[in-house]
Amino acid sequence: QSALTQPASVSGSPGQSITISCTGTSSDVGTYNFVSWYQQHPGKAPKLMIYEANKRPSGVSNRFSGSKSGNTASLTISGLQAEDEADYYCCSYAGNSTLIFGGGTKLTVL
Amino acid sequence: QLQLQESGPGLVKPSETLSLTCTVSGGSISSSSYYWGWIRQPPGKGLEWIGSIYYTGSTYYNPSLKSRVSMSVDTSRNQFSLKLSSVTATDTAVYYCARQELYSTTWRAQKFVDPWGQGTLVTVSS
Repeated sequence: QSALTQPASVSGSPGQSITISCTGTSSDVGTYNFVSWYQQHPGKAPKLMIYEANKRPSGVSNRFSGSKSGNTASLTISGLQAEDEADYYCCSYAGNSTLIFGGGTKLTVL
Repeated sequence: QLQLQESGPGLVKPSETLSLTCTVSGGSISSSSYYWGWIRQPPGKGLEWIGSIYYTGSTYYNPSLKSRVSMSVDTSRNQFSLKLSSVTATDTAVYYCARQELYSTTWRAQKFVDPWGQGTLVTVSS
């Protein structure tokens, strides 16, 4: 069970859009729509931002959106704001009541 | 609103057993709609799913940790617990307890993890 693959870092200027990819296999992301995304600020617990690949929990800004195609899921943040600077993790259901996380992506707002 | 709180020793000696408890408040642990689980994060590194438990006591573990992990649930106290045996320095991490929402009672696939506890740092050192 290897971690899902995410870019180590991405960056963007305020107002721009960025996309973070999350690549898995046919045993996880490719088979199940149970992909979720989490935002983590330093010293804080992760916060759910997207679930079931493209659904947003209540209270999460509509600047955050998710998608999935084949073995790759993506998180897009539009209208970047300074407060979006954080680490982002994807997570997928991997069958047999198991979960797998991505390695995490550090987002820098320039 | 539902809250989770981790408790346990912050320092464990190598080769000993790490033990943590998660207390759930604001909701019942005996719900058929959720798993309860543990996720850890070594300093400066990413998240790793450790395992999950259903209120009935059914358990599911990360294959890479399965030989050392044990989880239990106490519905009367609204708590669940983690034991990780034979720890080494690589087990040093912030340990989070969290709830996992299930797709259905007949297909217990975890849709997402929410909410999370605040996390507790466990250091393995002599």
